[in-house]
Amino acid sequence: EVQLVETGGGLIQPGGSLRLSCAASGFTVSSNYMSWVRQAPGKGLEWVSVIYSGGTTYYADSVKGRFTISRDNSKNMVYLQMNTLRAEDTAVYYCAKAWGHFDYWGQGTLVTVSS
Amino acid sequence: EIVLTQSPDFQSVTPKEKVTITCRASQSIGNSLHWYQQKPGQSPKLLIKYASQSILGVPSRFSGSGSGTDFTLTINSLEAEDVAAYYCHQSSSFPITFGQGTRLEIK
Repeated sequence: EVQLVETGGGLIQPGGSLRLSCAASGFTVSSNYMSWVRQAPGKGLEWVSVIYSGGTTYYADSVKGRFTISRDNSKNMVYLQMNTLRAEDTAVYYCAKAWGHFDYWGQGTLVTVSS
Repeated sequence: EIVLTQSPDFQSVTPKEKVTITCRASQSIGNSLHWYQQKPGQSPKLLIKYASQSILGVPSRFSGSGSGTDFTLTINSLEAEDVAAYYCHQSSSFPITFGQGTRLEIK
């Protein structure tokens, strides 16, 4: 059974850093595309980043240069390193297995950027 | 950036009603259009992939159609459990984008 579990969210001050983790089971992250998608409170879905099976990465303009997606094949995990956080980064962050479409999603982890 | 515009933003519906949600892309995306359902407090769930391909486990009352720039999600004979927000998503080009969402409410 495919399962994705995100951890690492919390309250962080503007300008701070946070690393989100996504533990995958039931499939191999290194053989798939993995994405992060976020949803601000009461708002719609916003794609953040993707890492391809070959290691190529892409980012939304809103996070480029501040966020870094990576994975640890030995642990079957995906990460999102978030630096220089802003109030507008406040959202639930979802990890999703992606192959064009997002066929599996985690439960999400809430990141709140506030002083 | 490819902009996806959904209509309507909100619809009040009755059980057994047929519901149609449209998604228009700002440029042609072929069939690289997918639909999701998000119930309150839950993660999104894939309903339809590549415009019209059904997903195992999704009720047959959900169907999709379209190609190019105009797409439709149809819910035949709506059930109370279908109250949710629905989003379209394009994977044709970066940045990946979503529609703004359509929220369904039971009358």
